[in-house]
Parts: sequence; structure tokens; C-alpha cells
Amino acid sequence: AQSVTQLDSQVPVFEEAPVELRCNYSSSVSVYLFWYVQYPNQGLQLLLKYLSGSTLVKGINGFEAEFNKSQTSFHLRKPSVHISDTAEYFCAVSETGGGNKLTFGTGTQLKVEL
Amino acid sequence: GAVVSQHPSWVICKSGTSVKIECRSLDFQATTMFWYRQFPKQSLMLMATSNEGSKATYEQGVEKDKFLINHASLTLSTLTVTSAHPEDSSFYICSAPLGGSGSYEQYFGPGTRLTVT
Repeated sequence: AQSVTQLDSQVPVFEEAPVELRCNYSSSVSVYLFWYVQYPNQGLQLLLKYLSGSTLVKGINGFEAEFNKSQTSFHLRKPSVHISDTAEYFCAVSETGGGNKLTFGTGTQLKVEL
Repeated sequence: GAVVSQHPSWVICKSGTSVKIECRSLDFQATTMFWYRQFPKQSLMLMATSNEGSKATYEQGVEKDKFLINHASLTLSTLTVTSAHPEDSSFYICSAPLGGSGSYEQYFGPGTRLTVT
């Protein structure tokens, strides 16, 4: 079984400032890693994913994340946020070779302020 | 990109009644779909895996008889909440993998907010 920890439930940040949303996971097997964004009253949209290869993954809307196997982390970053980035962000994992069931973290509410 | 729709987007029902929620993959076929439940300010919890042509697979602790899942076609899965009670009030979200059951590219529906009074 695997688990995902998002330590920050809320992250306030000013517009144009950089942001990092933290994600740590625990698993006894290899995993794939994902970041999803959820806008109010909407479903989830995939931001980026790590399946294999380069540990630095670039996604949509200027976001990127780095897979660190030794620290079992997959932190999400953006160098300069915009008001429109205000949303809930979920980190998720899926076992490699175990189908595509996702285990989600508890989410981080990113609030971008002027 | 791939689109997954849900209907209705919100529903209010009385305690004891049943409610059906539809999940459709609009531009791709999905032999597998997933149903999640999300409580306010909380994460998504996988309830069950819907399989076209066979029985759904439920996660531990999810009542099969209460949450009936039917994968009627390659583009439609339904979740029926039977004899709903106020504690069943939640946000229900479905997802479908693009490219078959082995694909990790999942697309999510917009969710259905169920309120049981």
C-alpha cells in the first residue's frame, strides 16, 4: 500500500512570487507520481506526471516538479504565480504495474493574493 | 483533450430515496472507470473500480449494496446511491483512463454534489 502526505494544507503567496507545494510519499514498490489541480466545483486536471526518465518534470501552466527518490518527494514549483493559479492542488501516486488506481494526498489550497 | 462528463452536476434528495449519477467518456472508450468520493476540504477517496462487462471492484469499507455501480457500455458508468442518508452527502467524482485500463493518463469528470436532506 502507498500513502501521500501534503504537509501544507494552505499556502498563501503574493502574485508573481515563487511557490513550492510539498509532497512526500510512502510505498514499498515503485510508483508513478502525479500532480492534479482542482478549481472550485470542478473535477481534477492533470498538471504533470512522472513515469520514468528525467526527474525534473515540466507540466502545464508553467509548473514543474522534481522526483527525489532518496527523499521520497515530488514537490511542485512555479517561479512566478498568477491570480488564476488559486486552486486546490493534489499530489497522487500509483503503483507501477499495479493498474492505475490513484492514492491522493489531502491537498494544498494555493491562494494567490495581489 | 479527452472529456469526461457527469450528470447531474448537483442533486438534492430526501433521506431514504435513491440517486443515480452518470459518468460518460465523451470522445474515447473506457473499459475501466473509477469512482471517488470527496468530503469538504478533504482528499479524494477511491470507492470502486467500474469494469465494463463485469462486476465492479470495491475498495475496503465501501458498501457494495449501497453504492451500486453499473458499467453499461464502453462510454458510460453509473453510480446509484441506494437508500441515501445525510451522511452520504458528498462530492462524487469519476475518472477514466485514456488508452485502456493500463494507461496512467486519467481524465476526471467535473463531479456531482449530492445533498441528502
